[in-house]
Amino acid sequence: KAGVTQTPRYLIKTRGQQVTLSCSPISGHRSVSWYQQTPGQGLQFLFEYFSETQRNKGNFPGRFSGRQFSNSRSEMNVSTLELGDSALYLCASSGLAVDPDTQYFGPGTRLTVL
Amino acid sequence: AQSVTQLGSHVSVSEGALVLLRCNYSSSVPPYLFWYVQYPNQGLQLLLKYTSAATLVKGINGFEAEFKKSETSFHLTKPSAHMSDAAEYFCAVSLHTGGFKTIFGAGTRLFVKA
Repeated sequence: KAGVTQTPRYLIKTRGQQVTLSCSPISGHRSVSWYQQTPGQGLQFLFEYFSETQRNKGNFPGRFSGRQFSNSRSEMNVSTLELGDSALYLCASSGLAVDPDTQYFGPGTRLTVL
Repeated sequence: AQSVTQLGSHVSVSEGALVLLRCNYSSSVPPYLFWYVQYPNQGLQLLLKYTSAATLVKGINGFEAEFKKSETSFHLTKPSAHMSDAAEYFCAVSLHTGGFKTIFGAGTRLFVKA
């Protein structure tokens, strides 16, 4: 069974630009969560989507947004990039009926903002 | 509010020695607790999880953790460290709030000396 895939794996942007990251969950999983990982702040929860609806949201500014499609694939968007947005963005999926609470993580997208 | 505290940002052990990584949590409801491992430039991999079935949880790669409610702890152990165990380890608690989100500890980097 294929794991969680994230594209692109690496991204370099400049301040003020916007970026869209993509996540394809494990087949059958309906919940997708996004996390930001930085050396200073660690792993921080961004948001969770389930059946195209945002169920939970972390404490990030409105520049961070996301969406989920009918096939459970998800995208997150960051507008007006700041240097502090440089991070590893991790996507995780879950949702097997027998194991609903376990999240399976993708390899991440490394975003560098110059 | 729920939180996770990992004691020690860095732990160093010799190959063959006991590994002990400490995690304490606070939760107003019975928690779901997890340990994840992250190797360089990779996403997080689930080591084990506690969901109230048994207090001693066995995971992959010889790791296990014991849930102690009285101490609000969920420490990770492995009897004999291997060089390949060198990585960063995250303790996490899963919250159910009409969906769920996962709160991670700050992480503990494990070094294994030959």
